[in-house]
Amino acid sequence: QKEVEQDPGPLSVPEGAIVSLNCTYSNSAFQYFMWYRQYSRKGPELLMYTYSSGNKEDGRFTAQVDKSSKYISLFIRDSQPSDSATYLCAMRGGFKTIFGAGTRLFVKA
Amino acid sequence: NAGVTQTPKFQVLKTGQSMTLQCAQDMNHNSMYWYRQDPGMGLRLIYYSASEGTTDKGEVPNGYNVSRLNKREFSLRLESAAPSQTSVYFCASSEALDRVQRAFFGQGTRLTVV
Repeated sequence: QKEVEQDPGPLSVPEGAIVSLNCTYSNSAFQYFMWYRQYSRKGPELLMYTYSSGNKEDGRFTAQVDKSSKYISLFIRDSQPSDSATYLCAMRGGFKTIFGAGTRLFVKA
Repeated sequence: NAGVTQTPKFQVLKTGQSMTLQCAQDMNHNSMYWYRQDPGMGLRLIYYSASEGTTDKGEVPNGYNVSRLNKREFSLRLESAAPSQTSVYFCASSEALDRVQRAFFGQGTRLTVV
């Protein structure tokens, strides 16, 4: 079993929809939870990170961590075609960082 | 700002050939990393350098060597390329090892070994 599980998709939504992207994990030592956006043939770009449990909001993006369920989410409000990309979750405990395989998102105009 | 710059962007190697992937960052970061990204798998850490003068193995170091040339540059060498090393390689940097959650990534090197 992988330490971090992420549905690869693809997830296709119409423009303006609310998108929910999720990851589950098994290692309770993870303390930092990150979300990266990766456009095709580009490097990952950090969207946001949270420490421990709770929510964090940045513009149209909200990251949510539920440590009791070992479940993290990224919500994208008012999705735009420019949000079409692969979204990677990542988790860090100590000096160990594990990445999910990514979910491909398509936002249709 | 350039951020993290990787060269080359693309490379095709024959089995057994060697090559060095170059990485440079201009953010005065102490820590640098090399990852590989394969379909269906998350980024996997090959080697990292916590600070200038130090390097350590990551999750998948076999078949690779690294050099932290100075604070800005961190190179990855394949001594004898194998088809299993076909992948996209990313270099990243962060202020410190305990700031890896704020790492910046380069654009990647797409390597094919035939």
